[in-house]
Amino acid sequence: GAVVSQHPSRVICKSGTSVKIECRSLDFQATTMFWYRQFPKQSLMLMATSNEGSKATYEQGVEKDKFLINHASLTLSTLTVTSAHPEDSSFYICSARDWKGGASYEQYFGPGTRLTVT
Amino acid sequence: GQNIDQPTEMTATEGAIVQINCTYQTSGFNGLFWYQQHAGEAPTFLSYNVLDGLEEKGRFSSFLSRSKGYSYLLLKELQMKDSASYLCAVGAMDTGRRALTFGSGTRLQVQP
Repeated sequence: GAVVSQHPSRVICKSGTSVKIECRSLDFQATTMFWYRQFPKQSLMLMATSNEGSKATYEQGVEKDKFLINHASLTLSTLTVTSAHPEDSSFYICSARDWKGGASYEQYFGPGTRLTVT
Repeated sequence: GQNIDQPTEMTATEGAIVQINCTYQTSGFNGLFWYQQHAGEAPTFLSYNVLDGLEEKGRFSSFLSRSKGYSYLLLKELQMKDSASYLCAVGAMDTGRRALTFGSGTRLQVQP
């Protein structure tokens, strides 16, 4: 149980275009999903917290107009990188908390999406 | 805010025991997690401590001292496949979102 999928696993796009990444909880309902970014040999940096049916909460320094997050259902959140630039190239990972998690902080991670902007 | 420190790199020998330390400073502490991450892959859950003491799970054990803001992950009978990054993460109420804050990770290299 507690499986989270991401699509696509890898994407290469040209500078100036937009890319959408999907994060799905496959066997549980996730009221909260998190989006992280990880640069090579660095740790995960939280970008935003996504709650079903409401606006995402962005971490300081993350441009909400550039990284659009939509959490339309209890099993799907999407991250759209708009007007991508080479410096946006990174490993993007989503995670989800189980609806039944209560006060739990445990998160289940997706397999990640490697974005390369040329 | 939170501050989490762990060593950047460690090297150990196959079959040996290694201890990876993590110190943290946070308010509203709500548990400490350890994750394993192989290069290019997502983190996988190893352990969770919310009370003081040792949690053992097979070859992996994790210890927590809340008064000292200290945790360690103990890996026994090291195998080559244990070469990975080990991430210490803290859940804290002051995030307001039940999000985790991750340390920078410890890259463990297991040698034959």
